[in-house]
Amino acid sequence: DGGITQSPKYLFRKEGQNVTLSCEQNLNHDAMYWYRQDPGQGLRLIYYSQIVNDFQKGDIAEGYSVSREKKESFPLTVTSAQKNPTAFYLCASSMVQETQYFGPGTRLLVL
Amino acid sequence: GQQLNQSPQSMFIQEGEDVSMNCTSSSIFNTWLWYKQDPGEGPVLLIALYKAGELTSNGRLTAQFGITRKDSFLNISASIPSDVGIYFCAGLLSGSARQLTFGSGTQLTVLP
Repeated sequence: DGGITQSPKYLFRKEGQNVTLSCEQNLNHDAMYWYRQDPGQGLRLIYYSQIVNDFQKGDIAEGYSVSREKKESFPLTVTSAQKNPTAFYLCASSMVQETQYFGPGTRLLVL
Repeated sequence: GQQLNQSPQSMFIQEGEDVSMNCTSSSIFNTWLWYKQDPGEGPVLLIALYKAGELTSNGRLTAQFGITRKDSFLNISASIPSDVGIYFCAGLLSGSARQLTFGSGTQLTVLP
């Protein structure tokens, strides 16, 4: 089945710890995106990548980092610099400048 | 980043009623998209609109791309309990690497 997978479904972070959220797609999409969603709010763009080995900051990139070493994969690291990391994180992919399709999301909680 | 103005923020309706929600923007878009998000899940694409004035249906859902290219609406007819969720509009501007601009969502509750 073609689609976007995110793992884990739930992730717990301790103070001062970096954690990495996985996003994989087998849709042969060139572009991938990370969004953050807080309760009752819309989606805010963290980072996006249009091509392997290249990525751009979105609106709320501080405290996050990404890599794009493979077309299929776009992992997001939530660093200790992100002081309010509790949120629902959504990964999406698309052909460049076309409709985006979303993964099932990862909920990050702070212990 | 720019946000679309989506209204209403929330709706409580009786099962069987029709629903209407809309999005407006100060900027024009080349494509309008409507997504539905169930609790704890990622948004799922419902309808995509590519041309100003276009009216498209998907089952009980109907959406229109405003003639000015600055607005869109979504109608749901004869609502059922599984219509519960958050509905997002999104605008896509060709030539924009960031691509999508999202509305803040409409939370729909269907009462039995």
